[in-house]
Amino acid sequence: AQSVTQPDIHITVSEGASLELRCNYSYGATPYLFWYVQSPGQGLQLLLKYFSGDTLVQGIKGFEAEFKRSQSSFNLRKPSVHWSDAAEYFCAVGDSNSGYALNFGKGTSLLVTP
Amino acid sequence: NAGVTQTPKFQVLKTGQSMTLQCAQDMNHEYMSWYRQDPGMGLRLIHYSVGAGITDQGEVPNGYNVSRSTTEDFPLRLLSAAPSQTSVYFCASRDGLAGGMEYFGPGTRLTVT
Repeated sequence: AQSVTQPDIHITVSEGASLELRCNYSYGATPYLFWYVQSPGQGLQLLLKYFSGDTLVQGIKGFEAEFKRSQSSFNLRKPSVHWSDAAEYFCAVGDSNSGYALNFGKGTSLLVTP
Repeated sequence: NAGVTQTPKFQVLKTGQSMTLQCAQDMNHEYMSWYRQDPGMGLRLIHYSVGAGITDQGEVPNGYNVSRSTTEDFPLRLLSAAPSQTSVYFCASRDGLAGGMEYFGPGTRLTVT
């Protein structure tokens, strides 16, 4: 069955430290992948997406993600975290075999400490 | 260009009541969808539509109905509200059927007592 896993429910990092949020998927076909961010009480905002081509994609707010087919992963990274990055982060995956629906992970909550 | 709008922002229902959550988009997107978000569960797809007159079920469709009479509007109907439907509901539209970017509305927080 197709699935998306975000192994870390909560992550705490110090301001200025680097960040990596993990996302693993189980899909038969080549997937298309997204990372969304949700601030408290807000809707979801797209950070970045991968469809094809260069496996390292750049997004907004200084985020990047790398698609690793061999590891079925699409981890989100940021070299230096700001206090305003504290939010919930969702990985989402779809592919041509699953029709048009996106499958979301359960999310990782990021806390940034001073 | 308002994007995706949802009304109401908040709603409290009693068990057994019915209501419609409204969703509209002004981007001429063919694909629209409804999700519910519950703590620790991420977003789960309720129903989606690939164009006017075409709808299909997602992961958790029970207790919900949808219709798509126009490209712009995609209302979600709760037929007989249950406490298990207490959730935050998000409507989204997508620029392209497969692999396009999903634009989310601000959400409706629904409580069923």
